[in-house]
Amino acid sequence: AQSVAQPEDQVNVAEGNPLTVKCTYSVSGNPYLFWYVQYPNRGLQFLLKYITGDNLVKGSYGFEAEFNKSQTSFHLKKPSALVSDSALYFCAVRARGGGFKTIFGAGTRLFVKA
Amino acid sequence: EAGVAQSPRYKIIEKRQSVAFWCNPISGHATLYWYQQILGQGPKLLIQFQNNGVVDDSQLPKDRFSAERLKGVDSTLKIQPAKLEDSAVYLCASSLDPGRGTEAFFGQGTRLTVV
Repeated sequence: AQSVAQPEDQVNVAEGNPLTVKCTYSVSGNPYLFWYVQYPNRGLQFLLKYITGDNLVKGSYGFEAEFNKSQTSFHLKKPSALVSDSALYFCAVRARGGGFKTIFGAGTRLFVKA
Repeated sequence: EAGVAQSPRYKIIEKRQSVAFWCNPISGHATLYWYQQILGQGPKLLIQFQNNGVVDDSQLPKDRFSAERLKGVDSTLKIQPAKLEDSAVYLCASSLDPGRGTEAFFGQGTRLTVV
């Protein structure tokens, strides 16, 4: 069975500092991996994804994520945080096969302090 | 490009009543998902359609929840009878080709409150 773990309920960072939001996964075979962001009273917005190739993927709003196969991780990063980055972030994993079901983590709340 | 449309945005019902949610996916997207998001939790997949066929409904409480996707386009999710624990946001999403890694696009969701 596939699963996603986001070990931190909340991440606090000062504006201008780098941020990391952690994600680890469990799935058979090579996965597709995604990050989404959710603002209050809004649906989920796609940030970036890993399909194949370069382990470092770049996405919207200056975010990037690094795929690490040996550690089964897909951490979200940004070199310099903005107050407007404060939101709820979800990691998702999709197995390649078996219906291509997409499973989400519990989410990590990012708080960027001015 | 129009996004995923859901209605209604909000719904309040009493327990044991029935309720239905509607979703119109992005044009051309064969895959449609319904997720349940309880406050403070991540989205939980209820059902996944490929065109008008069900790919996965392993976490759908089939004694009270039902979903259909007639003609492989619009979809409805129904709850009958509702319980207090069904209070959540119900998210609809669609994807062009999940097997090739395309991302899912989400609607704004329907917030259901069962009192």
